[in-house]
Amino acid sequence: EAQLVESGGGLVQPGGSLRLSCVASGFTFSRYSMKWVRQAPGKGLEWVSHIHIGSSSMLYADSVEGRFTISRDDAENSVYLQMNRLRDDDTAVYYCARDGGAGGSMDVWGQGTTVIVSS
Amino acid sequence: QSALTQPASVSGSPGQSITISCTGTSSDVGGYDFVSWYQQYPGKAPKLMIYDVRNRPSGVPDRFSGTKSGNTASLTISGLQAEDEADYYCYSYRNTNTLVFGGGTKLTVL
Repeated sequence: EAQLVESGGGLVQPGGSLRLSCVASGFTFSRYSMKWVRQAPGKGLEWVSHIHIGSSSMLYADSVEGRFTISRDDAENSVYLQMNRLRDDDTAVYYCARDGGAGGSMDVWGQGTTVIVSS
Repeated sequence: QSALTQPASVSGSPGQSITISCTGTSSDVGGYDFVSWYQQYPGKAPKLMIYDVRNRPSGVPDRFSGTKSGNTASLTISGLQAEDEADYYCYSYRNTNTLVFGGGTKLTVL
């Protein structure tokens, strides 16, 4: 069974940094693009970032462009999100998700990790 | 990046059918058959219900169906059941090499 497990969330002050990790199991990780999606408290889902197979390209939402960096390590079956210059409005549950195909749909999701940006 | 437009809430009685709309532009929903739909229960991760406009992943009941006309995609749930009460989100590729969700729709089963 395909599974994703996120970690690395926590409480951080505005302007600080945090690195999220997502470990995959149950499928051939290197064959899939991966995404990060977040959900602020009481709000809807927001796509954050995408990394193609082989790290051939990375995409970012305008809200995080220049502050967040997505990366992957296929040997470790892991995808990461380095978050710098964090702001209050980055507070959210962060999910990693597997890209299921050409249409970009997300067919496997982790349970999420919570990031709280507050002084 | 503006979100796709969904109704904030819809409701229906058990056994009825409901439809949730998702309106975008020719740059996203109207331009590509890359619309997917997600179901989310409170405190839980989203679940893929429909991909590429009208395809159901294995395990998703055939009560769930998707369509698209112009810049509007729709999710229809027929034979509504109490367990369908959840939040639903549409999602699409956008031609600026970005991806965008709808604002979400809360489905209430009366």
